Amino acid sequence: EAGVAQSPRYKIIEKRQSVAFWCNPISGHATLYWYQQILGQGPKLLIQFQNNGVVDDSQLPKDRFSAERLKGVDSTLKIQPAKLEDSAVYLCASSRLSVGEPNTEAFFGQGTRLTVV
Amino acid sequence: QQPVQSPQAVILREGEDAVINCSSSKALYSVHWYRQKHGEAPVFLMILLKGGEQKGHEKISASFNEKKQQSSLYLTASQLSYSGTYFCGTPYNQGGKLIFGQGTELSVKP
Repeated sequence: EAGVAQSPRYKIIEKRQSVAFWCNPISGHATLYWYQQILGQGPKLLIQFQNNGVVDDSQLPKDRFSAERLKGVDSTLKIQPAKLEDSAVYLCASSRLSVGEPNTEAFFGQGTRLTVV
Repeated sequence: QQPVQSPQAVILREGEDAVINCSSSKALYSVHWYRQKHGEAPVFLMILLKGGEQKGHEKISASFNEKKQQSSLYLTASQLSYSGTYFCGTPYNQGGKLIFGQGTELSVKP
């Protein structure tokens, strides 16, 4: 079974520029998560999709971050404009989870390491 | 609310044992354990679904005390390959929003 694919692996941008990350989850996985992981910390959930609908985006800084999951498969996360504190690894994860079944493991992609200078 | 892990870091010699704890102020529906090696994605280890449950993965096992709202990960006879950061994750609610602790960095030395 193919894993979660993310691109790009690395990205360096200047502050105030925009950037987009792409994620292709494991086939058949209904739930997709985007996490932000700052060096030395645990992954922080930004947004959770169930198919193509948003389940939770309470931690997403909506003034600069946006995410979509068209057709319930691939997803993109965008930052516009970027700030220095956005430097982090952005992890995408997917699971078979359906809402109401919180006990399914998540599979993570390799992540995109973003550096904002 | 983020689960709290302890200790923050552990240094072991090969063959030694370690325990990593995860506790929450909220009721736990389940506890997930992941290991992340430097520069890599977190990898799923195991999930504990109900109080009293124990599971094992190689020489790594875990327990879940639902009443105390905590889980412990036990690493016995540690190997160099066990080095990494261990995270516990708990679903925030029935919707499955998975919240992770801050991590415990484990270093196994020869």
